[in-house]
Amino acid sequence: AQTVTQSQPEMSVQEAETVTLSCTYDTSESDYYLFWYKQPPSRQMILVIRQEAYKQQNATENRFSVNFQKAAKSFSLKISDSQLGDAAMYFCAYERDDKIIFGKGTRLHILP
Amino acid sequence: DSGVTQTPKHLITATGQRVTLRCSPRSGDLSVYWYQQSLDQGLQFLIQYYNGEERAKGNILERFSAQQFPDLHSELNLSSLELGDSALYFCASSVASMTALNTEAFFGQGTRLTVV
Repeated sequence: AQTVTQSQPEMSVQEAETVTLSCTYDTSESDYYLFWYKQPPSRQMILVIRQEAYKQQNATENRFSVNFQKAAKSFSLKISDSQLGDAAMYFCAYERDDKIIFGKGTRLHILP
Repeated sequence: DSGVTQTPKHLITATGQRVTLRCSPRSGDLSVYWYQQSLDQGLQFLIQYYNGEERAKGNILERFSAQQFPDLHSELNLSSLELGDSALYFCASSVASMTALNTEAFFGQGTRLTVV
């Protein structure tokens, strides 16, 4: 069965600095999707970034980028120039055939 | 505002009872997904409907059921409630199935269920 592991329950970063959130997953499939979702205090879930497993190039969205290591089954999220609005819970997710598995989340604190 | 509406926002009920959570997807979205977020289990996928039909099933208990109506709104029914069912229940919608390229899921604000 597929699993998603986020080993950092909480992290803190100074404003304007860079932080990396870790995510590993386990699957025997070769074709799948990976996501990072952000859940701010409003409780809504916001898609941050998506990666297709068949693409070798790491996805990037403005200050957010991923380091996708398919062989190592690792999918970390890098947030550059951290801003106070980045404070939230971040969930890593694996999806294939419309079934989605989420990690338990990492709470990110931004220190002013 | 994601365009996905969930009601009610908060629900308190006793063990053994049955509740219905409602989700209205974004206009034009055919897929509806239900998730449960609890402290110990994290965020879990429960079930997906696409245009009225069940499309994918996750870790959904037999005491739980869902359906999607012709107007595409969805309801999640939770019965014989237990203390452990207390959680935040999210609904999300997307235009197509999430595996479609460039398809993003939009989440509602969730329903906080407290079983006492």
